[in-house]
Amino acid sequence: DIQMTQSPSSLSASVGDRVTITCRASQSISSYLSWYQQKPGKAPKVLIYAASTLQSGVPARFSGSGSGTDFTLTINSLQPEDFATYYCQQSYSLYTFGQGTKLEIK
Amino acid sequence: EVHLVESGGGLIQPGGSLRLSCAASGFTVSTNYMSWVRQAPGKGLEWVSVIYTGGSTYYADSVKGRLTISRDSSKNTVYLQMNSLRVEDTAVYYCARILGGPLSATGADWFDPWGQGTLVTVSS
Repeated sequence: DIQMTQSPSSLSASVGDRVTITCRASQSISSYLSWYQQKPGKAPKVLIYAASTLQSGVPARFSGSGSGTDFTLTINSLQPEDFATYYCQQSYSLYTFGQGTKLEIK
Repeated sequence: EVHLVESGGGLIQPGGSLRLSCAASGFTVSTNYMSWVRQAPGKGLEWVSVIYTGGSTYYADSVKGRLTISRDSSKNTVYLQMNSLRVEDTAVYYCARILGGPLSATGADWFDPWGQGTLVTVSS
C-alpha cells in the first residue's frame, strides 16, 4: 500500500502570507496526486488534481507542484476563507489520503 | 447540477449491520467511478471502497470482507452494505464521484463532487 505523509500537521499563518504544505508518497506516484480543502462540518472540496491542474472555480492563489514522491501545495496571499484543513490524495494505486494539515490563523 | 445525497446512517450496536445509500443527480452512476470515503470524529479522511464502471470493486484492508459497495442503475444510487460493524467504524461516511481515470488526459483520479456525509455511530 502507498502511504502519504503530509507536513506540517498544523500551521499558523496570517492573512496575506504565503504558505506551503508538502506531501510525500512512500513510492513514486508519477503525477497522480490531488489536493483537497475541508472546512469544519463540511465535505472536502478538490482544489488541484494531477499534481498541478487547478480545478475550475478555484482561485489562482492556489497552486500545486511536484512529481514522483514529493509534492507541494502553495497558497499565495492567504485569505480569511483559506483557513481550513488540507489533504493530499494519491490515485496511482487505488486511493490513499494524507493525514491532513490544519491551517490556522496566527 | 451534479449532486450526491447520502442517507442511512445512525446508531448501531457492535456486530450489527447498516446500509448506506448515495443518490446521484445530474449524472449517471453506472458510467462513472463511485467511491465511499469516511472520516472518524476529529480524524482525517480514509478511503473505504470504489466501484468502477465495469463493476469491479475494491476495498481498504480495514473493511475488506465486512463492507460491500454496489449500485442500482435504475435508481441511480450507490450503496454501502456494512456488516459486522465495529466501534472503530464510527465515522461520517461520504459518497463521492471519481473523475479522471486511465483514459483521461492526466490519468489521475480525483474525487468530485462529494455528498454531505452521513454519520454512522457504532456503540453499545
